[in-house]
Amino acid sequence: KNEVEQSPQNLTAQEGEFITINCSYSVGISALHWLQQHPGGGIVSLFMLSSGKKKHGRLIATINIQEKHSSLHITASHPRDSAVYICAASLEGLTFGKGTHLIIQP
Amino acid sequence: DVKVTQSSRYLVKRTGEKVFLECVQDMDHENMFWYRQDPGLGLRLIYFSYDVKMKEKGDIPEGYSVSREKKERFSLILESASTNQTSMYLCASSFNSRAGGKLFFGSGTQLSVL
Repeated sequence: KNEVEQSPQNLTAQEGEFITINCSYSVGISALHWLQQHPGGGIVSLFMLSSGKKKHGRLIATINIQEKHSSLHITASHPRDSAVYICAASLEGLTFGKGTHLIIQP
Repeated sequence: DVKVTQSSRYLVKRTGEKVFLECVQDMDHENMFWYRQDPGLGLRLIYFSYDVKMKEKGDIPEGYSVSREKKERFSLILESASTNQTSMYLCASSFNSRAGGKLFFGSGTQLSVL
């Protein structure tokens, strides 16, 4: 069974800061998902990647298959980025990390 | 846009009641999933389905069953609700790929069992 670890668990930063959230997994995967969940809201898929790097607006996701590691970066962070970010490793089903609770203060 | 609709946002039920949670998606996705989300435990897979009338157990199927009679609808059933089934329940769907296509989630059902 895949073990998925996220760090940090909680992160508070100032508006404008560059944010990095890390995700490590123990078993080779076919894809890695990054999800975003706002308080009281549903979950939105941000990225699904199996190699390299993807970018959408101020969000960048990278994955290193050899090291079994992925990162989610947020550039020029804004209070509306405050949410829980969850990574999930895909191999015959999904295994989720426990999430990173991000707060961006104005 | 893909829409995954869960029938109730909040539900309150009594111990021992039979509970139905409904999920409908409108994008002809083959894969559908039921998760529960609890503080400190993250998302855990209860059941999933890759096709109509097909179901597979996830990590925590005990106390639950599912039904997929039509492609667009995936129901989660609590045969006899218990207090430890109080949780946020999330339905998701994706296109067919055992590797996992992009996931689309419903807005969740917060179930309280008293």
